[in-house]
Amino acid sequence: DGGITQSPKYLFRKEGQNVTLSCEQNLNHDAMYWYRQDPGQGLRLIYYSQIVNDFQKGDIAEGYSVSREKKESFPLTVTSAQKNPTAFYLCASSTVGSYNEQFFGPGTRLTVL
Amino acid sequence: AQSVTQLDSQVPVFEEAPVELRCNYSSSVSVYLFWYVQYPNQGLQLLLKYLSGSTLVKGINGFEAEFNKSQTSFHLRKPSVHISDTAEYFCAVSQTGANNLFFGTGTRLTVIP
Repeated sequence: DGGITQSPKYLFRKEGQNVTLSCEQNLNHDAMYWYRQDPGQGLRLIYYSQIVNDFQKGDIAEGYSVSREKKESFPLTVTSAQKNPTAFYLCASSTVGSYNEQFFGPGTRLTVL
Repeated sequence: AQSVTQLDSQVPVFEEAPVELRCNYSSSVSVYLFWYVQYPNQGLQLLLKYLSGSTLVKGINGFEAEFNKSQTSFHLRKPSVHISDTAEYFCAVSQTGANNLFFGTGTRLTVIP
């Protein structure tokens, strides 16, 4: 079955630690995205990538970093510079030039203790 | 810049009653419109999409939406809701040449037994 996987489902970290969230897709999509979701605020775009080895900042990139070394993978690192990292993180992918219809993973809930 | 407005943050409705979730967007160019559903602690799942053609679009789980260009709206409807429809619903819009989807803040639908 084609799809997007995110791991882990739940993640806990201590304040001041960096943590990396995994996102893998086997849909052969060129574009991948990371969103942050907080209650009542909908989805906010953190970073996106349309091709391997290239990515762009979204609306709330501060305190986050990404890499795109492989087409299938787009890991997100939440750094200690992110002031309020507790949130639900969603990864998505799409084909480029395809109306931007996005397919989503199941999400990772990050809690900072 | 593109924007999407979901006027109702919460919509309670009794089981087997009809429901309409409202979505308005701002754009003067051709758009592509989407409705996604999110169940608790899960990713987003596509309900339906409008790309072109007939303005009445049918989706999964008995939902449908109507694209109204003059009113820049894409309201979601279901004639008879079930308990299992309790979820958060997101409207999203893209346009030709854009790299991303723009999401509304979501509407939480609660079906009351």
